[in-house]
Amino acid sequence: EIVLTQSPGTLSLSPGDRATLSCRASQSVGPYLVWYRQKLGQAPRLLMYEVSNRATDVPARFSGSGSGTDFTLTISSLEPEDFAVYYCQQRNQWPYTFGPGTKLEIK
Amino acid sequence: QVQLVQSGAEVKKPGASVRVSCKTSGYTFTTYHLNWVRQATGQGLEWMGWMNPKTGTTGYIQKFQDRVTMTRDTSTSTAYMDLSSLTLDDTAVYYCTVNRYGTSDWGQGTPVTVSS
Repeated sequence: EIVLTQSPGTLSLSPGDRATLSCRASQSVGPYLVWYRQKLGQAPRLLMYEVSNRATDVPARFSGSGSGTDFTLTISSLEPEDFAVYYCQQRNQWPYTFGPGTKLEIK
Repeated sequence: QVQLVQSGAEVKKPGASVRVSCKTSGYTFTTYHLNWVRQATGQGLEWMGWMNPKTGTTGYIQKFQDRVTMTRDTSTSTAYMDLSSLTLDDTAVYYCTVNRYGTSDWGQGTPVTVSS
């Protein structure tokens, strides 16, 4: 099973700041890495698929990069709704494992 | 638009079984795999397995291999997830989800509480 680790565990920033979230895989996942945002009490929402493609209706402030085992989600200027938990997931190899999440909180 | 509507909250005793349903609409049910994911309170996401609604083929992670069954009713475009031999650790919100290219649709979640 591919293990995903995310860092940092918690990120404290202010609205308007730039956020950089990391996801590392225990082995290559090719391009099959996605990111979700989950607000409290809601189901996760897909943000990025295949590393760097924004999902439907996702704002341009979100971008993804990386390859193989190291990936980054960048939010260029934080909006209030971005303070949530972010998960990466690999879809290269079954089972499709999730990372433990990064909590983005207001500083 | 695509909708996944799940059954309501459940409270079960240890050792019991639970069935969660996921009624889909807005797309052809047999086109995409349907997955089940769970989330314990305050914890991360745990992918449980998948089902091919067209063939009924399933894949479960090792942890649930002996306790989970995923089925479907193509006449109503509804998927089901049965989990048996419940323990306190199975207390979680259970989600059904469909991944289409470029998007991902989720049900609203079904809270399952296991309590003696």
